[in-house]
Amino acid sequence: GQNIDQPTEMTATEGAIVQINCTYQTSGFNGLFWYQQHAGEAPTFLSYNVLDGLEEKGRFSSFLSRSKGYSYLLLKELQMKDSASYLCAVRDHDYKLSFGAGTTVTVRA
Amino acid sequence: IAGITQAPTSQILAAGRRMTLRCTQDMRHNAMYWYRQDLGLGLRLIHYSNTAGTTGKGEVPDGYSVSRANTDDFPLTLASAVPSQTSVYFCASSEGTSGAHEQFFGPGTRLTVL
Repeated sequence: GQNIDQPTEMTATEGAIVQINCTYQTSGFNGLFWYQQHAGEAPTFLSYNVLDGLEEKGRFSSFLSRSKGYSYLLLKELQMKDSASYLCAVRDHDYKLSFGAGTTVTVRA
Repeated sequence: IAGITQAPTSQILAAGRRMTLRCTQDMRHNAMYWYRQDLGLGLRLIHYSNTAGTTGKGEVPDGYSVSRANTDDFPLTLASAVPSQTSVYFCASSEGTSGAHEQFFGPGTRLTVL
């Protein structure tokens, strides 16, 4: 199984940068995903990492270190619409996703 | 393009009743999934199907059953609902199970069992 930890809440100011950490302990690893979920809505895909290193997509970047069981999602130039929950999910060798409980990010003006 | 739809949007159900949550996708995705989301616990996989005609158990399958008669539909049935099954249920689909194939989620069904 998987044990996935991420902070419960984070607060940041509009225009700032926030880094959401995710650590995992896994019996098998086949990729790590980040999803965004606005309150009352469905999760939507943000990023995918399977090799070590940084993946950049506009204002969002995701990093993975497989040897450390660690990933982070970096949100730059924060906007009010970025207020949401961010879910870290690990895929195992059976290709099933296990999700962390999510990090709620609040962006303040 | 509808993507993935779920019905009903919300439902209040008496304990002991049978209930089927519907999920349909029009993306011709091979794999489909059912999750429940509870406060503080995140999304937990109930059942999945890697391709039409096959199903598998996830992390929390007890009290739930699924079928996958065709590519598009993946209904979830609660045979005899209990209050602990009060949750938000999300259906998801993906083109494949490996590589960078992300899962696409439906809008969810909010179920309350009294």
